[in-house]
Amino acid sequence: ELKVEQNPLFLSMQEGKNYTIYCNYSTTSDRLYWYRQDPGKSLESLFVLLSNGAVKQEGRLMASLDTKARLSTLHITAAVHDLSATYFCAVFTFYGGATNKLIFGTGTLLAVQP
Amino acid sequence: EAGVTQFPSHSVIEKGQTVTLRCDPISGHDNLYWYRRVMGKEIKFLLHFVKESKQDESGMPNNRFLAERTGGTYSTLKVQPAELEDSGVYFCASSRGQGRRPEAFFGQGTRLTVV
Repeated sequence: ELKVEQNPLFLSMQEGKNYTIYCNYSTTSDRLYWYRQDPGKSLESLFVLLSNGAVKQEGRLMASLDTKARLSTLHITAAVHDLSATYFCAVFTFYGGATNKLIFGTGTLLAVQP
Repeated sequence: EAGVTQFPSHSVIEKGQTVTLRCDPISGHDNLYWYRRVMGKEIKFLLHFVKESKQDESGMPNNRFLAERTGGTYSTLKVQPAELEDSGVYFCASSRGQGRRPEAFFGQGTRLTVV
């Protein structure tokens, strides 16, 4: 069974600092997502990573994927308060036309302090 | 285009009562998923509809949970009778047709509290 481990669970950081959230998964997959959730809002897709070595950047967030290590990272550069939210990684499982679903990590609650 | 909408946004019920959650997917999306996040834990898959058929219900916790999608449009998830451990946030997601790993769009979730 595919398992996804995300750490840390909680991250309190000061504005202007850098940090990385890690996502490990247990079996092969060809698609990994990073989502952001603000309280009471839907999950917003930030990045989808499709291949080994993929790197995507949007503003102060950068996501990367190492399929050999089964590891994805979400790097935050010079954090600002607006980035405070819960971040989830999720791995897509697909069985050739049959069931398909996302397996999520536990989420990282990010609190950026002024 | 309207997104995935869920009703209600919050529900507080007593143990033993019945609650029905509703999800309206994006129009034209054949795939509809239910997920649940129990406090502090990962978001877990519950089940997957393709149109009105249950494709995968392996994540449903027990027979107190019943999901339906009559006519292949909106879906309901009924919990009867509710237990304390059913508390959590229930998310619905929808995506287009099969076979090409379509991206799923999520609703805002229903926060269920069983007291």
